Amino acid sequence: QQQVKQSPQSLIVQKGGISIINCAYENTAFDYFPWYQQFPGKGPALLIAIRPDVSEKKEGRFTISFNKSAKQFSLHIMDSQPGDSATYFCAASCSDSSYKLIFGSGTRLLVRP
Amino acid sequence: NAGVTQTPKFQVLKTGQSMTLQCAQDMNHEYMSWYRQDPGMGLRLIHYSVGAGITDQGEVPNGYNVSRSTTEDFPLRLLSAAPSQTSVYFCASRLEGGLSTGELFFGEGSRLTVL
Repeated sequence: QQQVKQSPQSLIVQKGGISIINCAYENTAFDYFPWYQQFPGKGPALLIAIRPDVSEKKEGRFTISFNKSAKQFSLHIMDSQPGDSATYFCAASCSDSSYKLIFGSGTRLLVRP
Repeated sequence: NAGVTQTPKFQVLKTGQSMTLQCAQDMNHEYMSWYRQDPGMGLRLIHYSVGAGITDQGEVPNGYNVSRSTTEDFPLRLLSAAPSQTSVYFCASRLEGGLSTGELFFGEGSRLTVL
């Protein structure tokens, strides 16, 4: 049972472009939605996270957009750089279930120079 | 701080062999967990622990055992390895309870191949 569906599986963007990765969830009890970034040979690291009391959160070039009614959230990377090339995972959890994170299947992003 | 340390980084096993993946953290995190990462499947939770002496199952616990005798260590045991357990394994930890932001801190992974 895949509770968090992520798309696309892979994405190629030119330097300076906008990268958009989408996720959809099923469990309406989820109240914490992080994005993790993973470089080859490394463990995932938290990039940015949002809670459902806001519709958007921005940190530098990274923005999460959240649509509670549609049960969807997305990551936007503005002015994409080759150094952003990595695998991105969305995730979701309930704060009252010990924050057990359920991850999406991942998106491999390649930013071409 | 070393963060989350996993050993070994690489391991090859034959079907039926047993082994233990080690995980240690020096951040005094109560919560520790093990995930496996497979292509197209994302990260799936195997087992987790919210403190010493307490463990629970995640999404894919079959074939794996864990124990938590100290706050720092959370080993993952494969009792009889199968080719389906070929994967990259990640240990992750975080604070538990009211101080937690939910952020998980991951180790660098252990790549296991079962022949």
